[in-house]
Amino acid sequence: NAGVMQNPRHLVRRRGQEARLRCSPVKGHSHVYWYRQLPEEGLKFMVYLQKENIIDESGMPKERFSAEFPKEGPSILRIQQVVRGDSAAYFCASSPVQGWAFFGQGTRLTVV
Amino acid sequence: GQQVMQIPQYQHVQEGEDFTTYCNSSTTLSNIQWYKQRPGGHPVFLIQLVKSGEVKKQKRLTFQFGEAKKNSSLHITATQTTDVGTYFCAAPSNTGNQFYFGTGTSLTVIP
Repeated sequence: NAGVMQNPRHLVRRRGQEARLRCSPVKGHSHVYWYRQLPEEGLKFMVYLQKENIIDESGMPKERFSAEFPKEGPSILRIQQVVRGDSAAYFCASSPVQGWAFFGQGTRLTVV
Repeated sequence: GQQVMQIPQYQHVQEGEDFTTYCNSSTTLSNIQWYKQRPGGHPVFLIQLVKSGEVKKQKRLTFQFGEAKKNSSLHITATQTTDVGTYFCAAPSNTGNQFYFGTGTSLTVIP
């Protein structure tokens, strides 16, 4: 849904660099989800946030990955010291209530 | 952990033929959702089913939720080339904090 804005759409990083993925949810939506999709695979849950709070980060690797959803501004998914295995499409989704969600167009991360 | 199995993984049909994808869970679900993702695109929400035995229709698409709320199906009548894409079912975790997506069924429609 065009209402969820993700940028950049494509991101290329060298191994060891940092990747910052941004997501602006639909206006008024306070629930944000991040999912990762490997080529030809389904979507894997990473983290669920509400404004200023991480509700569930059980799907996110313990190291190198972090997420935030500040009071003002977009949600950020941050990957430090990227490795080739981090190459994937990262989708953000938002909803007004816990439940079905609108997805953004994703950020395709390529680690070279 | 909770798993949502989806079959088939791939389906090729001639334009005009029908198509069905099935989603199964080992546990009872509070609801189930269906999404469509076009090649290179993002998942687009289609529908949410909540009630046992529920059947919903959207033009040529028919969605069903099983009586036991453990399985669901999506049926497309008389497929068109615009139906091409991957169809995912998604079920909430016990907490509702996350959704488990099925592996998806990739539909190819041959003109």
